[in-house]
Amino acid sequence: AQSVTQLDSQVPVFEEAPVELRCNYSSSVSVYLFWYVQYPNQGLQLLLKYLSGSTLVKGINGFEAEFNKSQTSFHLRKPSVHISDTAEYFCAVSGVEDDKIIFGKGTRLHILP
Amino acid sequence: SAVISQKPSRDICQRGTSLTIQCQVDSQVTMMFWYRQQPGQSLTLIATANQGSEATYESGFVIDKFPISRPNLTFSTLTVSNMSPEDSSIYLCSVDREGYGYTFGSGTRLTVV
Repeated sequence: AQSVTQLDSQVPVFEEAPVELRCNYSSSVSVYLFWYVQYPNQGLQLLLKYLSGSTLVKGINGFEAEFNKSQTSFHLRKPSVHISDTAEYFCAVSGVEDDKIIFGKGTRLHILP
Repeated sequence: SAVISQKPSRDICQRGTSLTIQCQVDSQVTMMFWYRQQPGQSLTLIATANQGSEATYESGFVIDKFPISRPNLTFSTLTVSNMSPEDSSIYLCSVDREGYGYTFGSGTRLTVV
């Protein structure tokens, strides 16, 4: 079985500053990894995913994440945040042979003016 | 990615009643997933719905409380039965399109009074 740990429940950051949201996973098999964003009162939107290949994955809205197998991490980064990035961010994992994904508890990103 | 239509988008229900949530996908998919997101929490998988067979429920969820139908490859319903205030949550359906990752509906915000 897989599990996901998002180390920070909330991350405050000033507008135009860089941000990193941390995600670690646990699995005994090969995995797919995902980051989703949930804007206030909205559903989930896929930001990016790692399925195979390059460990640096670029997503929408200027976000990117790096898969680090040795560290079992998949941290999300953005070089310069905007007020519109205020949202809840969920890291998720699924086993390559699995049909379902497991979500972390989420990290709330607060953008400070 | 798949387009998912979910309805109702929100409802306020009396305790002891039942609500059926519908999920329509714009293309045929093998599996559909139902999640619950309790206030301020992450997503928890309720069950996986396959067309032509009984849904597979996760630990802590039972068919009597959350009956699921999957009459064809583009449609599923989740019923929340005999509701109590503890059932107040956002309920989301999701599909996995190979190569696209998991796509979510916009969710049904349920309040039980």
